Amino acid sequence: QVQLVQSGAEVKKPGASVKVSCKASGYTFTSYDINWVRQATGQGLEWMGWMNPNSGNTGYAQKFQGRVTMTRNTSISTAYMELSSLRSEDTAVYYCARKYQLLWYNWFDPWGQGTLVTVSS
Amino acid sequence: QSVLTQPPSASGTPGQRVTISCSGSSSNIGSNTVNWYQQLPGTAPKLLIYSNNQRPSGVPDRFSGSKSGTSASLAISGLQSEDEADYYCAAWDDSLNGDVVFGGGTKLTVL
Repeated sequence: QVQLVQSGAEVKKPGASVKVSCKASGYTFTSYDINWVRQATGQGLEWMGWMNPNSGNTGYAQKFQGRVTMTRNTSISTAYMELSSLRSEDTAVYYCARKYQLLWYNWFDPWGQGTLVTVSS
Repeated sequence: QSVLTQPPSASGTPGQRVTISCSGSSSNIGSNTVNWYQQLPGTAPKLLIYSNNQRPSGVPDRFSGSKSGTSASLAISGLQSEDEADYYCAAWDDSLNGDVVFGGGTKLTVL
């Protein structure tokens, strides 16, 4: 079945970087964009950006421009999201999600299980 | 502050019908389709409704979506206790370079 499996929880100090992985299975990895969404505790969903696994092209939300980098390794069907210059406000669960596209319709399905990133001194 | 506006909470008793609204603008809901996601406590979001009113396989027909102009709504009929969850609307936004925008989420309580 189609699924995305993310790496485990991370604890980082302010100013450090974190790299979260998202391994895809059950479909052709290079055929669908991977998006990243985060959720602070008790808060809503916040879109961070997208990556095309075939071309490596990316697009980031303005809020994260300059701090986020999305990459991939097609040989192991894995996408990565690296966030730098971490601050306490970056403490959140980070999700990857496949963007499914049909004609001009798009949606996210499935989602990874989430990776908790805690930023604390 | 979310680009799409949802009520923070909704409630109903088992068997009732509840609706959750999602308000946007011409650049997002007015120009693109709306998707809805269900997030059960402690789990990742799951696709509930796509392209305004389409249900993925496995989603009960108790769930339905609609869109009109710059607003959308999610209806749940025959409310069940397992429907207690957070619900999020989402759409692409043409004014934000193709960014995805979410509603702030609605916590549904089954009384």
